[in-house]
Amino acid sequence: DTGVSQNPRHKITKRGQNVTFRCDPISEHNRLYWYRQTLGQGPEFLTYFQNEAQLEKSRLLSDRFSAERPKGSFSTLEIQRTEQGDSAMYLCASSPRDSQETQYFGPGTRLLVL
Amino acid sequence: DAKTTQPPSMDCAEGRAANLPCNHSTISGNEYVYWYRQIHSQGPQYIIHGLKNNETNEMASLIITEDRKSSTLILPHATLRDTAVYYCIVRPPYGGATNKLIFGTGTLLAVQP
Repeated sequence: DTGVSQNPRHKITKRGQNVTFRCDPISEHNRLYWYRQTLGQGPEFLTYFQNEAQLEKSRLLSDRFSAERPKGSFSTLEIQRTEQGDSAMYLCASSPRDSQETQYFGPGTRLLVL
Repeated sequence: DAKTTQPPSMDCAEGRAANLPCNHSTISGNEYVYWYRQIHSQGPQYIIHGLKNNETNEMASLIITEDRKSSTLILPHATLRDTAVYYCIVRPPYGGATNKLIFGTGTLLAVQP
């Protein structure tokens, strides 16, 4: 399968712990996006990268959140000092460098903070 | 805020065509209309997109009105596996001010046996 992959698929943690999620985009897609989705809502944009450069960050991305894409391939999203309100599905998408730039999503990482 | 309006839910009989409407009355001239769907607990799946002309692929057809203020996604022969939340999104082309997708709450399509 050459689609976007995300790991882990599920994560349960206790409040105050740090968690890190990984996203592997489709090969040669130079843009990578992170979204968050809470129950009953559509996905909300968090941040995106073009190659290794982080070009846009949402106000949703508080100081406890950090995203990296060190070599312009995979990306990590870290949440420090997790709170119960961080419980959500975290989605990653990637898009190719073309005029359409259609985004293709991974299966998501479901986070539950107890 | 989402720039589209969709009905919260729709039903469709299995084997019949499902027609999902979307209103995007404030769409700009260079913005595309994209459709995604999300089956329960999975990531959104790209379906189709268009600018002005009607489009068709192996999954669906997209009909855009001449004034581009609304569109309809057509699933020609709905199956139970098409039960999902369908999102209609407008976005600028590559190189626009932003590349993020702004999702609304979509339409929950329930295909009935």
